[in-house]
Amino acid sequence: EDQVTQSPEALRLQEGESSSLNCSYTVSGLRGLFWYRQDPGKGPEFLFTLYSAGEEKEKERLKATLTKKESFLHITAPKPEDSATYLCAVQAKEWMDSNYQLIWGAGTKLIIKP
Amino acid sequence: NAGVMQNPRHLVRRRGQEARLRCSPMKGHSHVYWYRQLPEEGLKFMVYLQKENIIDESGMPKERFSAEFPKEGPSILRIQQVVRGDSAAYFCASSPRAGGVVQPQHFGDGTRLSIL
Repeated sequence: EDQVTQSPEALRLQEGESSSLNCSYTVSGLRGLFWYRQDPGKGPEFLFTLYSAGEEKEKERLKATLTKKESFLHITAPKPEDSATYLCAVQAKEWMDSNYQLIWGAGTKLIIKP
Repeated sequence: NAGVMQNPRHLVRRRGQEARLRCSPMKGHSHVYWYRQLPEEGLKFMVYLQKENIIDESGMPKERFSAEFPKEGPSILRIQQVVRGDSAAYFCASSPRAGGVVQPQHFGDGTRLSIL
């Protein structure tokens, strides 16, 4: 069964303390893995798409990497404004023309203390 | 603002009433998706629509829930005879035509539905 598991459920860090969030998945033939950030009371905000193992993408203090079984979101020297829930999603069944239903992880709630 | 627009942001209904949630996709996007999210839980897919077509409604309850995306105007998620268990945040997302490359979905800020 296709599945996405994120860990840890919650992570508390001091400002400047780097760490990583994990997204492990089981899906036959990965076509795309997505990372989103969600702030309280807001919709998920798109961060990255990763398409194949070995791929890396960076944006400010965030770096996403992908292997055949999992993805990591590395946060370097985080600031309090990086506090949010980070969601991971992978494609499941194909609808048409490379458009897929997504399976979502439950998210990691990240809290950065000043 | 060219993002996904949802309204209302908050909606309060009494049990048995109808709730209508609206979503205007990003400019140039022809695919619309509706999700439901309960507190501290992940997103649950409900329905996927293109203009005038429901492509996949496998995540939507068979009774009381319906969705449409007319040729003109926003997509509508309609919940009839609401019950307390319908209280949740409902998110709409949109994406462009994939064209051979998996495209990300872009989300609105949701409608928070509260049932009294």
